[in-house]
Amino acid sequence: GQQVMQIPQYQHVQEGEDFTTYCNSSTTLSNIQWYKQRPGGHPVFLIQLVKSGEVKKQKRLTFQFGEAKKNSSLHITATQTTDVGTYFCAGRSNYQLIWGAGTKLIIKP
Amino acid sequence: EAQVTQNPRYLITVTGKKLTVTCSQNMNHEYMSWYRQDPGLGLRQIYYSMNVEVTDKGDVPEGYKVSRKEKRNFPLILESPSPNQTSLYFCASSYGTSGSSYEQYFGPGTRLTVT
Repeated sequence: GQQVMQIPQYQHVQEGEDFTTYCNSSTTLSNIQWYKQRPGGHPVFLIQLVKSGEVKKQKRLTFQFGEAKKNSSLHITATQTTDVGTYFCAGRSNYQLIWGAGTKLIIKP
Repeated sequence: EAQVTQNPRYLITVTGKKLTVTCSQNMNHEYMSWYRQDPGLGLRQIYYSMNVEVTDKGDVPEGYKVSRKEKRNFPLILESPSPNQTSLYFCASSYGTSGSSYEQYFGPGTRLTVT
């Protein structure tokens, strides 16, 4: 079936280091959404990308949608403790939303 | 305040005892959905509804039922819960009927334990 693979499953970083999570789809996506889930919380919508090659920025977060609309990435520059949580991508294919398994961002003490 | 509410937030029950988790949204959204979240598996869709009286199976519907008699409510029913349904459950809603073109708003979650 249709899948969206998200890697890595976990990423440990020192505060101030960068963080990146990647999503790859087995099929072409109509759009891709990104969500953040804080520990103990619920997923919260961050952004939606629709166009091939699209890049959007939200302060220290940069979101990209691949040219073939099969992959996407989220990059966080200079992580802060408030960035801790799990980041999910969700791609639209045939009117269904297919979720990645998430990448957990852990800040090393 | 625009929100999705779920009740109860926590529930411990025994195998075979029927239970209902309620979900309500106040945003007049057409689309509503139930997910379960398990470690390492992300969010898996159980059932969804594109409008009143319209429901359909998601990826993991076995052992669950839903109904959509009113636009704002979308209860999840476990007729005979089993331990493998121990999980964290989220209700979500969004504008539009496909659920994939607009952002989804999630409820706070219901942590269910079946012993």
